[in-house]
Amino acid sequence: NAGVTQTPKFRVLKTGQSMTLLCAQDMNHEYMYWYRQDPGMGLRLIHYSVGEGTTAKGEVPDGYNVSRLKKQNFLLGLESAAPSQTSVYFCASSSSTAGQPQHFGDGTRLSIL
Amino acid sequence: GQQVMQIPQYQHVQEGEDFTTYCNSSTTLSNIQWYKQRPGGHPVFLIQLVKSGEVKKQKRLTFQFGEAKKNSSLHITATQTTDVGTYFCAGPYSGGSNYKLTFGKGTLLTVNP
Repeated sequence: NAGVTQTPKFRVLKTGQSMTLLCAQDMNHEYMYWYRQDPGMGLRLIHYSVGEGTTAKGEVPDGYNVSRLKKQNFLLGLESAAPSQTSVYFCASSSSTAGQPQHFGDGTRLSIL
Repeated sequence: GQQVMQIPQYQHVQEGEDFTTYCNSSTTLSNIQWYKQRPGGHPVFLIQLVKSGEVKKQKRLTFQFGEAKKNSSLHITATQTTDVGTYFCAGPYSGGSNYKLTFGKGTLLTVNP
């Protein structure tokens, strides 16, 4: 039972490069989320999805795009990476039942030089 | 917008001492969740409180939800080195979207053996 799987686990990019972070969940959850975590800032929601084919902006969406073409996958894209996007990125999923906990992946540590 | 504040930001204790972290919301919450993140790890769900004045225990951990459903606390009795990590509270987003959570910035607990 893998739960929520994120790839890659680590990545170093140069400013201006693009990349996609992949999140896959095997729990048949409707809801999926992308967070970034920076020292002293807690978890901040970037984008989220309430179902296949739907996406919505969170608290800090600028500079990121997402897609949810399949229910089990949620992709986070950086079109032109900036040093301010250096962070740890967490994907999470939850069921559609109100108040259910979120299940997190192991995170992607991304450095932008 | 909704804010979830946690205090203290850091707490260092000697093994065997008690520890408490407090969570305060700017709005009334339908429920509150607590998560633990070990150093280098990902957030893991601990518990959810729903009822006004609710108290739940998990071994040495005691969770409380305030009467006004705007504050909560986590108390650890006789800390152990395995308790090290950051403890986050999270409440449903006040915009009516129960599937989105607003996380506090967390309390980092370190334990000296």
